[in-house]
Amino acid sequence: NAGVTQTPKFQVLKTGQSMTLQCAQDMNHEYMSWYRQDPGMGLRLIHYSVGAGITDQGEVPNGYNVSRSTTEDFPLRLLSAAPSQTSVYFCASSYGGAGEAFFGQGTRLTVV
Amino acid sequence: RKEVEQDPGPFNVPEGATVAFNCTYSNSASQSFFWYRQDCRKEPKLLMSVYSSGNEDGRFTAQLNRASQYISLLIRDSKLSDSATYLCVVRQTGANNLFFGTGTRLTVIP
Repeated sequence: NAGVTQTPKFQVLKTGQSMTLQCAQDMNHEYMSWYRQDPGMGLRLIHYSVGAGITDQGEVPNGYNVSRSTTEDFPLRLLSAAPSQTSVYFCASSYGGAGEAFFGQGTRLTVV
Repeated sequence: RKEVEQDPGPFNVPEGATVAFNCTYSNSASQSFFWYRQDCRKEPKLLMSVYSSGNEDGRFTAQLNRASQYISLLIRDSKLSDSATYLCVVRQTGANNLFFGTGTRLTVIP
């Protein structure tokens, strides 16, 4: 029973590098989202998707891209990493946006 | 102004104590309310939903006051295993997205 799987768990990037954080869920949830968690800030929504082929911006979308080609996968791309993107990133899925959100284990990203 | 505000704590309580957390939300159109629990360096997990009439799940009781726009969580007979950060979460009417508070950290002391 995998639930939401995120990879990698840890990553160190140099400023300017790009990378993709992977997220997959096996619960057939339509709604998926990406959050970042910073000390004193709580979880903030980066991008979300209400179904395959549909994505939208959240509260802090700048510097990130997403795509949703399948129901299962929702990768997050950092285009040109900056130290301000050092954070813990969580992917979540739910049955509709109002349902219980199931989170992946998180990715701890450090940009130096 | 933040959508959801919580006292960050920390709350340090002895085993067996009763502890209460409050949370306020800014948008009166908010429709759904939740408490999530997050253990250190782990992902958040749903603890309980909060219903208008209040609801209880074992040692945990959640209350909603729409007039004052606040939500509470009461933990009775605290256990060491209750040590975690408790996140207040709100969804607005017609919105797909959840708004998270910064969390209240609880440490239960032997």
